[in-house]
Amino acid sequence: GESVGLHLPTLSVQEGDNSIINCAYSNSASDYFIWYKQESGKGPQFIIDIRSNMDKRQGQRVTVLLNKTVKHLSLQIAATQPGDSAVYFCAEWESGTGNQFYFGTGTSLTVIP
Amino acid sequence: KAGVTQTPRYLIKTRGQQVTLSCSPISGHRSVSWYQQTPGQGLQFLFEYFSETQRNKGNFPGRFSGRQFSNSRSEMNVSTLELGDSALYLCASTRTGSEKLFFGSGTQLSVL
Repeated sequence: GESVGLHLPTLSVQEGDNSIINCAYSNSASDYFIWYKQESGKGPQFIIDIRSNMDKRQGQRVTVLLNKTVKHLSLQIAATQPGDSAVYFCAEWESGTGNQFYFGTGTSLTVIP
Repeated sequence: KAGVTQTPRYLIKTRGQQVTLSCSPISGHRSVSWYQQTPGQGLQFLFEYFSETQRNKGNFPGRFSGRQFSNSRSEMNVSTLELGDSALYLCASTRTGSEKLFFGSGTQLSVL
C-alpha cells in the first residue's frame, strides 16, 4: 500500500501564533484527503477535507493546501489556541485500490500559553 | 444525532484469550470501518462492512474478524490474543455516497 508520512512528529507553538502541519503522500492517484484532530482519550475528529481538483480550502481558522506536483498536504491553523493541542493526522483516500484511507503517524501539536 | 458509540471503553485480556468489540454507527450510516491504532504506527485499516458484507480488508491475520448486523451495528473479534494486539481499536461510520469517516472514541485493549 501507499504510505502517508508526516515531516515532524512534534510541533510547539505560542498561543496566538499560526501553526503549520505538513504531510507527504506518495500516490499521485489519490483524489481525496482529510485532516483529523485527535485529543487524548478521544477518537479522531474531522477538521477539513480537500479533493484533488482543488489546491486550497478554508474552514474556520483552518486552511488546507494541496500541492499535487510534490505530493504535499499542509494544515494551517490561524491564531492557535490551547484547545488546538492535539495530534493531527492526514489521511489519503485511494479509490480503486481497496477504497480505504491511509493515515500518517500523526503530528503532536502543543500550544504554549 | 448521536455519534459513533463503541463499547467497552477499556478491556484487559491475557494472551490466548479472545475478545469482541462493539460499534454502533451514526444513525443512517451503513458503512462501518475498523482501525487499529498503536503508538508510532498511526491508524491501520482492519476492514470495512457495508450492508452486512465485508467490502474491504486490510493486511491483518485471520485472527481478526468482524461482522455487521442488519441494523448496521458491527462487532470485531480478535482470537488468540497476542501482546502485540494491545492497541486502541477505532470504529468509524460513513454516510452512503461519502468517504468521510466519523470515528468513535475507541476501545483500549490491553493484552497481558
